[in-house]
Amino acid sequence: SQQGEEDPQALSIQEGENATMNCSYKTSINNLQWYRQNSGRGLVHLILIRSNEREKHSGRLRVTLDTSKKSSSLLITASRAADTASYFCATDDVGSARQLTFGSGTQLTVLP
Amino acid sequence: EAGVAQSPRYKIIEKRQSVAFWCNPISGHATLYWYQQILGQGPKLLIQFQNNGVVDDSQLPKDRFSAERLKGVDSTLKIQPAKLEDSAVYLCASSFNPGAYNEQFFGPGTRLTVL
Repeated sequence: SQQGEEDPQALSIQEGENATMNCSYKTSINNLQWYRQNSGRGLVHLILIRSNEREKHSGRLRVTLDTSKKSSSLLITASRAADTASYFCATDDVGSARQLTFGSGTQLTVLP
Repeated sequence: EAGVAQSPRYKIIEKRQSVAFWCNPISGHATLYWYQQILGQGPKLLIQFQNNGVVDDSQLPKDRFSAERLKGVDSTLKIQPAKLEDSAVYLCASSFNPGAYNEQFFGPGTRLTVL
């Protein structure tokens, strides 16, 4: 079953704009991770935020986590055409033997 | 550092045939995962190994799917017989230690088409 649900399902922006994707989940988590998947490729880990953290930055990425609302957001600033990909949130759920439950993803298209 | 290797990259078979996928995880990674990713969806965990033992195979359709991890390193996933709904990308991932942080490293996947 899939826990995380990303919103929007698809997002199209111009190069240089910011992209924001949201993820909602249902259970208690140890951490939440974001992955990127380019077409025809495997997933690449982007960033991990622990359940006791509220915000984390990595380069052009900013992730927030609100455990009271069971939601997270991924912000990509100053987007580039190379950021075009699918983005998935994945939750490490409490009691899950350290497995990840992936959402359905957001397809981001950055137009040059 | 070499990444997770998978083969083949693509496979086309007819329904009721059998197929096998191979995965070589990153050296030293104790935990290995197989996922099924249907087009337009996120990956769904099929089975998780810790070294050569199965941690969780609750979502593996055991009437047709089987998996093993040889000597705690390479792994194979087999489907026999295949159904049309098995058409998907099969992803292998590994992680060093599912302790504090379980960042997973993914292979490129095997795209299976069942006709």
